[in-house]
Amino acid sequence: DQQVKQNSPSLSVQEGRISILNCDYTNSMFDYFLWYKKYPAEGPTFLISISSIKDKNEDGRFTVFLNKSAKHLSLHIVPSQPGDSAVYFCAARDTGGFKTIFGAGTRLFVKA
Amino acid sequence: ETGVTQSPTHLIKTRGQQVTLRCSSQSGHNTVSWYQQALGQGPQFIFQYYREEENGRGNFPPRFSGLQFPNYSSELNVNALELDDSALYLCASSSQMNTEAFFGQGTRLTVV
Repeated sequence: DQQVKQNSPSLSVQEGRISILNCDYTNSMFDYFLWYKKYPAEGPTFLISISSIKDKNEDGRFTVFLNKSAKHLSLHIVPSQPGDSAVYFCAARDTGGFKTIFGAGTRLFVKA
Repeated sequence: ETGVTQSPTHLIKTRGQQVTLRCSSQSGHNTVSWYQQALGQGPQFIFQYYREEENGRGNFPPRFSGLQFPNYSSELNVNALELDDSALYLCASSSQMNTEAFFGQGTRLTVV
């Protein structure tokens, strides 16, 4: 039962353009959402998060949007840079807080 | 401030054997979570330890067990290894149960 889904296994974007990574979830008990970035041979690195009481959170080039009615969130990276090329994981946490569920990841390629 | 470190980085074991993986949490962090990441998938939550006690568990059999020590470092033990246990095992620490987790680089376990 995949509670967090990232339906695009990969995404290719030109340097300087916007990257949009999408994530859908099924569990309405999720109240906190996170994005992690992972380079090869490294562990995931926390990128940005959003609470369910908000619909947008911005940190520099990274913005996360949350649409609770659609159970959908997206990560926008603008402008995209070659160093952003990595696997991006969407994750969600339930109200109890101890269990974080990850999606399968989207591999982003930013072409110079 | 040291980050999360895991040992060993790579390990090969034979089916039926037992394995112990180790994790040193980031300084000041009292919560440790363990994840299993199979190829092409996102990290799957195994369990979490808070102040030396297990306080949450994912859908993993009892042969997956753990410990957290007074210095908040942690071990993951897997008994009766199966071929499907081959994966990247990630440890993540956080300062409280509901804050962003910082991951180690992982231990790549291969069961033959």
